[in-house]
Amino acid sequence: AQKVTQAQTEISVVEKEDVTLDCVYETRDTTYYLFWYKQPPSGELVFLIRRNSFDEQNEISGRYSWNFQKSTSSFNFTITASQVVDSAVYFCALIEVNRDDKIIFGKGTRLHILP
Amino acid sequence: DGGITQSPKYLFRKEGQNVTLSCEQNLNHDAMYWYRQDPGQGLRLIYYSQIVNDFQKGDIAEGYSVSREKKESFPLTVTSAQKNPTAFYLCASSMGLAGSSYNEQFFGPGTRLTVL
Repeated sequence: AQKVTQAQTEISVVEKEDVTLDCVYETRDTTYYLFWYKQPPSGELVFLIRRNSFDEQNEISGRYSWNFQKSTSSFNFTITASQVVDSAVYFCALIEVNRDDKIIFGKGTRLHILP
Repeated sequence: DGGITQSPKYLFRKEGQNVTLSCEQNLNHDAMYWYRQDPGQGLRLIYYSQIVNDFQKGDIAEGYSVSREKKESFPLTVTSAQKNPTAFYLCASSMGLAGSSYNEQFFGPGTRLTVL
């Protein structure tokens, strides 16, 4: 079973629309870390956010916001007023502290922002 | 500028040849990682190293080898034993398990390996 599930393989929206990328994770640990990364066409992954399991506060950074809900094991990512430069593959990832500390990536969601 | 460099960006090799992918970082990070990415797939961990002269196998280590003789460098060799080596290879580094914090990984630009 996948530990990190990104059910949306590909999404297309028109520029300026809001879009939410879903991430559902699975762990028995009480202490864990969640991440989001962006992979633009150049290929290099860019770190966006890290959240630990004890901090359920939602976070906003400019047009980006993240909704962490332990009750549903979800860590969703919303882009407000999307721009063409947001087109990329976005990965959600998990580190379970009491396991082998390896980061587990979801399969990614490819986001197309249409002009 | 601090960062991670991988060279070359594109690499072509004949089947049956070993090839070594370079990864260098000047971030003073303890931990380094190698991932493989196939089209439409997430990243799969090949090898990782938390400290110099030590490394561990990841999920798909067969057909690959690494060394970690210097903190800054973590080269990956794709051997002829790797049955399907054509892929995009990403190197990453992090501060490692510093204190009680699990730090984000910083990635290089990747090397696209094509075996002909």
